[in-house]
Amino acid sequence: AQSVTQPDIHITVSEGASLELRCNYSYGATPYLFWYVQSPGQGLQLLLKYFSGDTLVQGIKGFEAEFKRSQSSFNLRKPSVHWSDAAEYFCAVAPYSSASKIIFGSGTRLSIRP
Amino acid sequence: EAQVTQNPRYLITVTGKKLTVTCSQNMNHEYMSWYRQDPGLGLRQIYYSMNVEVTDKGDVPEGYKVSRKEKRNFPLILESPSPNQTSLYFCATQTGGGGNQPQHFGDGTRLSIL
Repeated sequence: AQSVTQPDIHITVSEGASLELRCNYSYGATPYLFWYVQSPGQGLQLLLKYFSGDTLVQGIKGFEAEFKRSQSSFNLRKPSVHWSDAAEYFCAVAPYSSASKIIFGSGTRLSIRP
Repeated sequence: EAQVTQNPRYLITVTGKKLTVTCSQNMNHEYMSWYRQDPGLGLRQIYYSMNVEVTDKGDVPEGYKVSRKEKRNFPLILESPSPNQTSLYFCATQTGGGGNQPQHFGDGTRLSIL
């Protein structure tokens, strides 16, 4: 069955420290991959997406993600977090054929330690 | 400004009292969908619509109805709400219907069914 796993429910990092959020997927073929961020009281906002080509993709707010086909992973990274990065982060996968088949992970809540 | 507008943002109501959550978009997007977000479960799709008068069930459609009479509007209807429908609901839109496009989310509607 197709699935998306975000193994970390909650992560706390110090401001200025580096960050990596994990995402693993199970899919029949290489899907389209997304990371979204949800700030408190708001909807999800697209951070970045991967379709093909360079496996390291850059997104907004200084985030990047690396697609590793051999590990079925699409981990999100940021070299130095800011207090404003505290939010919930969702990984999502979708086939080319239809947006209706999109699957979201269960989310990782990020807290920032001053 | 591109917007997905949901109303109401918050609602507390009682079991069995019909309610409608509206969703309106100004981006002329073909695809619209409804999700519910529950702790530890991520976002689960309730219904989606590929275009006017074209709707279909998502993963958790029981207890919900939708309609798409106009391109910009996609209301979610709970004919007889029950406590297990207490959740945070999001409307999302995207251009086209393929999985390669990012989705644009409303700010959410928090429903409490007593």
